[in-house]
Amino acid sequence: AQKVTQAQTEISVVEKEDVTLDCVYETRDTTYYLFWYKQPPSGELVFLIRRNSFDEQNEISGRYSWNFQKSTSSFNFTITASQVVDSAVYFCALSEHGDYKLSFGAGTTVTVRA
Amino acid sequence: DTAVSQTPKYLVTQMGNDKSIKCEQNLGHDTMYWYKQDSKKFLKIMFSYNNKELIINETVPNRFSPKSPDKAHLNLHINSLELGDSAVYFCASSQGLALGTDTQYFGPGTRLTVL
Repeated sequence: AQKVTQAQTEISVVEKEDVTLDCVYETRDTTYYLFWYKQPPSGELVFLIRRNSFDEQNEISGRYSWNFQKSTSSFNFTITASQVVDSAVYFCALSEHGDYKLSFGAGTTVTVRA
Repeated sequence: DTAVSQTPKYLVTQMGNDKSIKCEQNLGHDTMYWYKQDSKKFLKIMFSYNNKELIINETVPNRFSPKSPDKAHLNLHINSLELGDSAVYFCASSQGLALGTDTQYFGPGTRLTVL
């Protein structure tokens, strides 16, 4: 069963628009960790953020922000004032305590047009 | 210096051949992984090793055999290649197994094409 669902396959925006990527996860564990990775067109996977299940504080890093809501099992990611360099595939991932691996969602392809 | 490196970056081969992909990390990490990314970009764990010991073998066909000669290297050998093995293979490493604190860093990927 899919543990991480990224329902948006592709999102296309014009530069300077905000874009929010949805991530819904499924777990029975009380201790788990959520991640976002970015895969630009060059192909490498870049770590963006980790959140543990006990920390529901939202986080902002520059133009990136993350909203973690346990009540809806969601860990959404917003890019504010998007730029062409934000064009990439973004993956949400889950690791359950003691699982020792990342279970990835299917990814959301973001295209930012100039 | 590249933290996690893989060779080759591209690999094109015929069905039935045997091939290897090498991975090296210079981060001093204890744990290494192989992930497979299919044509639809879906990423799935294949193997993980901690201190050269196999930790995860995620129902991968036994044509795939990882080998960890030391903590800094995790190679992937594939026997009798099939068309369905065409994918991008990513190596990753982390300090340890505690993913709550130990970040996984990925290599650049190896694009394998089986003809």
